[in-house]
Formats: sequence, C-alpha cells, structure tokens
Amino acid sequence: QKEVEQNSGPLSVPEGAIASLNCTYSDRVSQSFFWYRQYSGKSPELIMSIYSNGDKEDGRFTAQLNKASQYVSLLIRDSQPSDSATYLCAARGSGGYNKLIFGAGTRLAVHP
Amino acid sequence: KAGVTQTPRYLIKTRGQQVTLSCSPISGHRSVSWYQQTPGQGLQFLFEYFSETQRNKGNFPGRFSGRQFSNSRSEMNVSTLELGDSALYLCASSLEQGIWNTEAFFGQGTRLTVV
Repeated sequence: QKEVEQNSGPLSVPEGAIASLNCTYSDRVSQSFFWYRQYSGKSPELIMSIYSNGDKEDGRFTAQLNKASQYVSLLIRDSQPSDSATYLCAARGSGGYNKLIFGAGTRLAVHP
Repeated sequence: KAGVTQTPRYLIKTRGQQVTLSCSPISGHRSVSWYQQTPGQGLQFLFEYFSETQRNKGNFPGRFSGRQFSNSRSEMNVSTLELGDSALYLCASSLEQGIWNTEAFFGQGTRLTVV
C-alpha cells in the first residue's frame, strides 16, 4: 500500500454542486495532513491543513479527518469552474520535520 | 509579504551538464524543502534544510545535492544530468512552529528540460 493514495479522477461535477475529494493513508505517515490545489502549469497552493479528528471549515472548503479509518477528505461547496484543478493530498512523513508525502492528485473538472 | 522565490523559472540543459537552482524562502522561514514533480512519479521529496543543516533526504541518487545559507536561502544542484531529470523542481518554505504542525508554502518552481 502506498503511503498516501488518491483516485486520479477526473472527478466531474456541475457548477454549484459539492465536490468530494478523498485520500487514504497508511501507518507510515504522521497525523498531519494538507490539501493543495495545483492549476495546470502552476505550483501547488495550500488550501487547508488538518491535524485532529473531525471537520475543519474555511469558507467553501471543509477538510475531514478520520484517523480510525485512515481517511482524509476535502469538500468544496458551491463548486465553481475556477475550482477546476488537481487537488493534492499530503501527509507529513513519519520522521517528522517538513518532509511531505503526496498522493498522485485528483483532477477536478467543474462544468457550467 | 513576499512569497517563496525560485530562480530561474525555466532551464534547458544538455545531458551530462550540471545545474544549480535557487530558492529564497518567505521572510522569517528557516526550513526549506525541495521536491521533484514529474507526470509519472508525481511530487517526490528530495531533501529538507533547516539552519544550514540537512535534516531529511529522499530516495534520490547522490547526483542531487543541496545546501542552505545563513540567510535561509537554499540551492540545489544536479550533476551529470540525465534525460529523466527533466521535471518541475519545487521549493517549499516553512516556519518552524513545531515539528508536527508546520505548513509548507511552495514557490513557482523551476522547469528543467534536459535534452
């Protein structure tokens, strides 16, 4: 099993809908998780971090962490065409410090 | 507040040459990490520097090296370039708040093409 796994997509949702992006992780990562958005040809942009079980909300974004199921998700409410991008799930490596382990990314397409 | 600055943005090199990439972190950030992004392998960790010391190293050959200066600026070097080194090289800057909860912010990247 890979340390961080994501469905590569594409995930296609209509404008205004909720987009749900999922990520699973193994025991070989620590309990700090991050969601990045990457537009084509650009660098990753941090959207949210989550360290504790439960939900964390920031505007239209909600990150969810379930440590028992080793599952992290990102919900995007009222999806807009400008949300179309690749979403990367990352976990801090088990050794700590600032090593991030990334999933392959899920491509999201929001259509009008 | 200025973000992470990477130079140059684009590079074209020939096989066998060497290349040096530069990264200036966000002001006050002392940790700099480097990543390689390719379509086939995704984003992979190269190494991390903090206070001029390498704290972590990924699974890359010794041709990949780096260093950090006293002002936290960092450079990475790739010697004896191979075609497979063509990638987007990303630098990430972190404020050392604590080992487990530090967020990383990426620069624009350097697109390296080896021909």
